[in-house]
Amino acid sequence: DAGITQSPRHKVTETGTPVTLRCHQTENHRYMYWYRQDPGHGLRLIHYSYGVKDTDKGEVSDGYSVSRSKTEDFLLTLESATSSQTSVYFCAISGRQAGETQYFGPGTRLLVL
Amino acid sequence: AQKITQTQPGMFVQEKEAVTLDCTYDTSDQSYGLFWYKQPSSGEMIFLIYQGSYDEQNATEGRYSLNFQKARKSANLVISASQLGDSAMYFCAMITSGGYQKVTFGTGTKLQVIP
Repeated sequence: DAGITQSPRHKVTETGTPVTLRCHQTENHRYMYWYRQDPGHGLRLIHYSYGVKDTDKGEVSDGYSVSRSKTEDFLLTLESATSSQTSVYFCAISGRQAGETQYFGPGTRLLVL
Repeated sequence: AQKITQTQPGMFVQEKEAVTLDCTYDTSDQSYGLFWYKQPSSGEMIFLIYQGSYDEQNATEGRYSLNFQKARKSANLVISASQLGDSAMYFCAMITSGGYQKVTFGTGTKLQVIP
C-alpha cells in the first residue's frame, strides 16, 4: 500500500472557523491531490500540486486554499468553513510520470455545524 | 472538457456470476488513462485496474478486466466470479497526461452481490 496518511481523520467544527487538513506521503511522489466526496457527485477535484510550491485549482476550489512547502506534505485549508463544506476529503498521490495511477489516503470526515 | 458517465446507479449480481459495470468517457485528448476504483462501506478507495489510451490489449488484474473500446469511448469493468466481498461502490475515472494531470471521476455504481 502507498504510504499516505491524512490528519485528522474526523473533525467537527463550527461555521466561520478556519480548518486545515493535512496529507502526508512517504513515497516521494510528485503529484498530490485533494478531492471531496459527496453523495451523487462522486469525487471532485479541489486542488492539486505538481511539485513543491506548485499548485493549481480543480473544479471546486472556491473556499479552499492549499500549500505544499515539502514534497511529503500537502495542506488543505478552509479559510472560513461553511456547512456546504461538510464532506469526506480524500488526498491522493501519483508518481513521477504523468498518467500514473493515483493512490488514495484513508479520508477525513469533516462536519461543519 | 473531460467527462465520465456511469449510467448504472446500482446493480445486483448473483454470487459466482460475472458482472459488467459500464463507463463511457469523453475527452479531446489523445493520451489518457482510465481507472477503476472500489470503495467498500469502510470508505477507503482501492485501485483496481488501469488502461492507457494507447494500450492495444485490454487490461486484466486477477478477476478484474477492463473492456476498452476506444472508438465507442467506453471502458467497462468486468468482474468475473463475483464474491460477497465485491459488494461496494465502483468508480470509473480518467486522467489526461498532457502536461499537468487532470482527473475526472464518474458518480459511481453500487454493486451488491447476492448469496
